[in-house]
Amino acid sequence: KQEVTQIPAALSVPEGENLVLNCSFTDSAIYNLQWFRQDPGKGLTSLLLIQSSQREQTSGRLNASLDKSSGRSTLYIAASQPGDSATYLCAVGGPYGQNFVFGPGTRLSVLP
Amino acid sequence: EAGVAQSPRYKIIEKRQSVAFWCNPISGHATLYWYQQILGQGPKLLIQFQNNGVVDDSQLPKDRFSAERLKGVDSTLKIQPAKLEDSAVYLCASSLLAGSSYEQYFGPGTRLTVT
Repeated sequence: KQEVTQIPAALSVPEGENLVLNCSFTDSAIYNLQWFRQDPGKGLTSLLLIQSSQREQTSGRLNASLDKSSGRSTLYIAASQPGDSATYLCAVGGPYGQNFVFGPGTRLSVLP
Repeated sequence: EAGVAQSPRYKIIEKRQSVAFWCNPISGHATLYWYQQILGQGPKLLIQFQNNGVVDDSQLPKDRFSAERLKGVDSTLKIQPAKLEDSAVYLCASSLLAGSSYEQYFGPGTRLTVT
């Protein structure tokens, strides 16, 4: 059974810092990995999706990497801003969009 | 392009009552998911549809939860009777079918409080 963990559970940084969020999964037989952002009381916003054959994806100040063999992914946020404050969740999926399993999330606070 | 629509946004019911949630996915998205998110946790998949067929409902508490997607478009999730532990946010998501990355797009969710 796939299990996904995220470290740290919470993180507080001053504005402008670069930071890394970690995601680990127990079964390396994944089809894709997706990073989401969730603001309080809101749904999830997709940030980046990495196919199992890819090593990384970039969007603006965000870069996500995937090491399938070791069961790890990282989300790198450059030059953090207060507007980045949210909970960040990773999720891994199997073939045909099945067996999608989420981690518990990392709650990020960027202080002005 | 319109996003995933869900209604209602909030619902408060007493235990043992019934409740239904509605979801309309992004146009053209064949796959539809329902998730339960308990406060402080990541979402947990309840059921996955592909068109109007069920792909995965292994984590759906079938004694009290049911879901349907009769015409392969919108979907309804029902709880009957509700328990206190059903208090959570119910999220609907959709994705394209074959030839895509199965990237999921989420609706705003329905916050259910059972008293």
